[in-house]
Amino acid sequence: DTGVSQDPRHKITKRGQNVTFRCDPISEHNRLYWYRQTLGQGPEFLTYFQNEAQLEKSRLLSDRFSAERPKGSFSTLEIQRTEQGDSAMYLCASRQYRGLTEAFFGQGTRLTVV
Amino acid sequence: QKEVEQNSGPLSVPEGAIASLNCTYSDRGSQSFFWYRQYSGKSPELIMSIYSNGDKEDGRFTAQLNKASQYVSLLIRDSQPSDSATYLCAESIQGAQKLVFGQGTRLTINP
Repeated sequence: DTGVSQDPRHKITKRGQNVTFRCDPISEHNRLYWYRQTLGQGPEFLTYFQNEAQLEKSRLLSDRFSAERPKGSFSTLEIQRTEQGDSAMYLCASRQYRGLTEAFFGQGTRLTVV
Repeated sequence: QKEVEQNSGPLSVPEGAIASLNCTYSDRGSQSFFWYRQYSGKSPELIMSIYSNGDKEDGRFTAQLNKASQYVSLLIRDSQPSDSATYLCAESIQGAQKLVFGQGTRLTINP
């Protein structure tokens, strides 16, 4: 499968715990994006990488959130000290760097904080 | 004002009819536009991209872009019950690279 892959698909965690999600982009795509989506809303931008460089972070992104893409391939998104408001679908997308290109999403990770 | 605005719906269309979905955007620097389909509980699936003024057709789908009026639309011909989903409009602003999404329009095709 050459699409964007996310792991895990579902995560239930207790409030205050840390969670980490992984995203494997399409192999030739050097831009990788993280979005968060809550019920009834469109995806909300969190951050993006070009290769291993994190080029933009949303101002809405709490300092409890951190993302990495250490070798310009897969990326991880960590949420520390989770809160109930963090419950959402976390989506990863990837895109070619050059030109007018399309972004493709992974299956998403559904996080539930109890 | 939101950067990308869509009517949240629900929009109900009888099977076989044309479904028309609309989206407006506020930034004149917007360069690329995309329509994604999202089934309940699933991730967004790209169905159309459009970069220049005019129409772009792909099967039963036609995307229309009017940069002067700052709107994008998606027409679905011969609507099928399987087209029932939320349709997300997204823009990419020149130099910014991230996609900005509208809240989505929920479409229901009635058999």
